[in-house]
Amino acid sequence: DTGVSQDPRHKITKRGQNVTFRCDPISEHNRLYWYRQTLGQGPEFLTYFQNEAQLEKSRLLSDRFSAERPKGSFSTLEIQRTEQGDSAMYLCASRRFRGRAGELFFGEGSRLTVL
Amino acid sequence: DQQVKQNSPSLSVQEGRISILNCDYTNSMFDYFLWYKKYPAEGPTFLISISSIKDKNEDGRFTVFLNKSAKHLSLHIVPSQPGDSAVYFCAAGTSGSRLTFGEGTQLTVNP
Repeated sequence: DTGVSQDPRHKITKRGQNVTFRCDPISEHNRLYWYRQTLGQGPEFLTYFQNEAQLEKSRLLSDRFSAERPKGSFSTLEIQRTEQGDSAMYLCASRRFRGRAGELFFGEGSRLTVL
Repeated sequence: DQQVKQNSPSLSVQEGRISILNCDYTNSMFDYFLWYKKYPAEGPTFLISISSIKDKNEDGRFTVFLNKSAKHLSLHIVPSQPGDSAVYFCAAGTSGSRLTFGEGTQLTVNP
């Protein structure tokens, strides 16, 4: 199965540390999205890429957050100087450019706990 | 600004009966709507969608209804099965842009 994969699945860190998450999308999908989900809420959009170009960023994405997709394949999401409020599930999703409108294929997520 | 809202955090139904999940939205620019299902420890998976030019879309046991004048969306599952127990997210978007999700409704189907 070549679905969307995310690594690590779980990360526990201390406040002030940097963390990086990796996402490998489905191979033929050229759009890649990052969402964040906290308990009791739905996924909140963070940013998305078409190939290697970052086309949109949410206001939720403070300057401590940076995302890259250097060769249009895998993507990384880095959080610098983590805060307790960053604790959440970070979801990556991908889709084909001409796929069904809104149909995203999600990974299982990377859960971040900031102590 | 919560543009997509699911007011019921949970719903419990008996196996074989109908499950109705509801969703309201405020942005009249949304031109497509979707429902996603999420099991524990998995990412959300696409279930069914509807374009703003339609008022109903059916796929097997799942039917989505759209009432644009009321800015209301609903998902009907008939008959409900225990395997349908999951969190259901309503989502909406405009062409070429991100999806906005609701808070989710936990559906429990009791045998």
